[in-house]
Amino acid sequence: DIQMTQSPSSLSASVGDRVTITCQASQDISNYLNWYQQKPGKAPKLLIYDASNLETGVPSRFSGSGSGTDFTFTISSLQPEDIATYYCQQYDNLPPVTFGGGTKVEIK
Amino acid sequence: EVQLVESGGGLVQPGGSLRLSCAASGFTFSSYEMNWVRQAPGKGLEWVSYISSSGSTIYYADSVKGRFTISRDNAKNSLYLQMNSLRAEDTAVYYCARIGRSGSYDYWGQGTLVTVSS
Repeated sequence: DIQMTQSPSSLSASVGDRVTITCQASQDISNYLNWYQQKPGKAPKLLIYDASNLETGVPSRFSGSGSGTDFTFTISSLQPEDIATYYCQQYDNLPPVTFGGGTKVEIK
Repeated sequence: EVQLVESGGGLVQPGGSLRLSCAASGFTFSSYEMNWVRQAPGKGLEWVSYISSSGSTIYYADSVKGRFTISRDNAKNSLYLQMNSLRAEDTAVYYCARIGRSGSYDYWGQGTLVTVSS
């Protein structure tokens, strides 16, 4: 099974800061990597698909990059409404689908 | 508007059974692959099961294989998860999720809580 290692597990940043989360796959997954946002008590929401494509309606301050085994998710200017836990997910080698452990983003 | 609404969760004793349902609307259900994903309290996301649009291809996570059965009724726009031999570690919020482009889960239900406890 492909393991997804996400870091950091949590971070605290100020409004307006640039925030970066990384996700590393245990083997090459090309660009078969998605990113989700989950707010407390809510279902996850798709933000980025195919590593770098912004889902319709998602603000442009969110972006993703990478291929192979190393991926990055960035919030260019952190907003109060971005407080959430973010997850990466691979779908290259199924089953199983695997998710990263999550990154909890808080406001400093 | 795409909607996925789960139901059927609740409190069940270890070894018991439960059947979850997911009612879909706002899209052509029979054209989409579907999944169940769960989240234990305070934990991350765990994929549980996959079913193809026709129901002919099914996958399970090792943690539920042999105990859970996924199915769908395209005429009723519904997805199901039959859960047998439930264990305490199956306690979680269970989400149904639609597979959109490139394997992404583009729509999720609100989730239904399953608690396995005596």
